[in-house]
Amino acid sequence: GAGVSQSPSNKVTEKGKDVELRCDPISGHTALYWYRQSLGQGLEFLIYFQGNSAPDKSGLPSDRFSAERTGGSVSTLTIQRTQQEDSAVYLCASSLGFSGGSEQFFGPGTRLTVL
Amino acid sequence: GENVEQHPSTLSVQEGDSAVIKCTYSDSASNYFPWYKQELGKRPQLIIDIRSNVGEKKDQRIAVTLNKTAKHFSLHITETQPEDSAVYFCAARTSGSARQLTFGSGTQLTVLP
Repeated sequence: GAGVSQSPSNKVTEKGKDVELRCDPISGHTALYWYRQSLGQGLEFLIYFQGNSAPDKSGLPSDRFSAERTGGSVSTLTIQRTQQEDSAVYLCASSLGFSGGSEQFFGPGTRLTVL
Repeated sequence: GENVEQHPSTLSVQEGDSAVIKCTYSDSASNYFPWYKQELGKRPQLIIDIRSNVGEKKDQRIAVTLNKTAKHFSLHITETQPEDSAVYFCAARTSGSARQLTFGSGTQLTVLP
């Protein structure tokens, strides 16, 4: 079946512009996660959605970052007034939901470059 | 919150040798420890995981060990092959916290032919 998909695969933008990154999770997965991976670095948690519960936004680095998940499926990560330090690969993952060890399946990521 | 440290950051081994990557975690309530492999330019993929009720798990050439007392866990790859070259990430998740995994900083493994 289809895995997690993300779009666009690459995004180049100018400093100060807003960008929207999209994630389509695996069908039936109630949990959705956004991570940021800077060059040569690990995975930094940004935000987590579980079903209809309020999202866990504790990883968002600033108020320029926001995310929503419509209809419990597709999610959009928005970065306003982008800065050069926002350049990174943004990874989305989904899982079946709250359980002891539910595997997270990652999308291919969106490579964001802020000039 | 949870903190995961991973060592070494880079590791080079000769083909056929074994590779060991170690991680420590800070939260004694953590109960799930997956390992992800990320090949260059690709997405991370789960290769093995272990829960806190077992001390070791094997899957062919890959094994993971967990020491709850010392709060560390390790990935062991035997008979390494060039296709094992990748970045490996360990992670931990705290019991009662479904929200996310805390990842280590990654280990770049290079298997030399």
